[in-house]
Amino acid sequence: AQSVTQPDIHITVSEGASLELRCNYSYGATPYLFWYVQSPGQGLQLLLKYFSGDTLVQGIKGFEAEFKRSQSSFNLRKPSVHWSDAAEYFCAVVRYYGGSQGNLIFGKGTKLSVKP
Amino acid sequence: DGGITQSPKYLFRKEGQNVTLSCEQNLNHDAMYWYRQDPGQGLRLIYYSQIVNDFQKGDIAEGYSVSREKKESFPLTVTSAQKNPTAFYLCASSPEPAHGYTFGSGTRLTVV
Repeated sequence: AQSVTQPDIHITVSEGASLELRCNYSYGATPYLFWYVQSPGQGLQLLLKYFSGDTLVQGIKGFEAEFKRSQSSFNLRKPSVHWSDAAEYFCAVVRYYGGSQGNLIFGKGTKLSVKP
Repeated sequence: DGGITQSPKYLFRKEGQNVTLSCEQNLNHDAMYWYRQDPGQGLRLIYYSQIVNDFQKGDIAEGYSVSREKKESFPLTVTSAQKNPTAFYLCASSPEPAHGYTFGSGTRLTVV
């Protein structure tokens, strides 16, 4: 069965430092992968997505993610973190039932704190 | 602007009462979804609907019910059979799963 694992529950980085959030997935075929961000008490906003082609995907707010099939990973990165990046981040993969019918399954999230 | 509207933002109910959460979208998306979010649990799928008048149970459907009478609307009823209804509920829509979802801003339900 498809699954998504985010190994880090909580990460703290200093403002200006680089960031990498880890995501591992389990899926037989080429996956459709997503990263979302959630501010407290809000819905989720799409940062970026991967479904084919270039394995390095650029997203909004300066984020990028790299798809590595050999490692079943889709890690999110940012070269320099800003205080406004403090939020919770979710990795997701599409689970298909047949044809185009399916839904997203999410990891449990990584909470990012940013130190001044 | 197109988007998804969830209402109300906060909802308080007494134990044993049914309550209905509203979700409306004007994105012309075929598919709509309900997720439940608890601290440290990520998002868990309650129900989803690919087309009008059709919906399927997700991973944690017990104690919940939905309807899809209009393309724009996908209300969720939390019944008294739901053992732990206090949670943050998120509605989403999508033209198809590979495009990802657009989320509403959520409803926080507290049952006392």
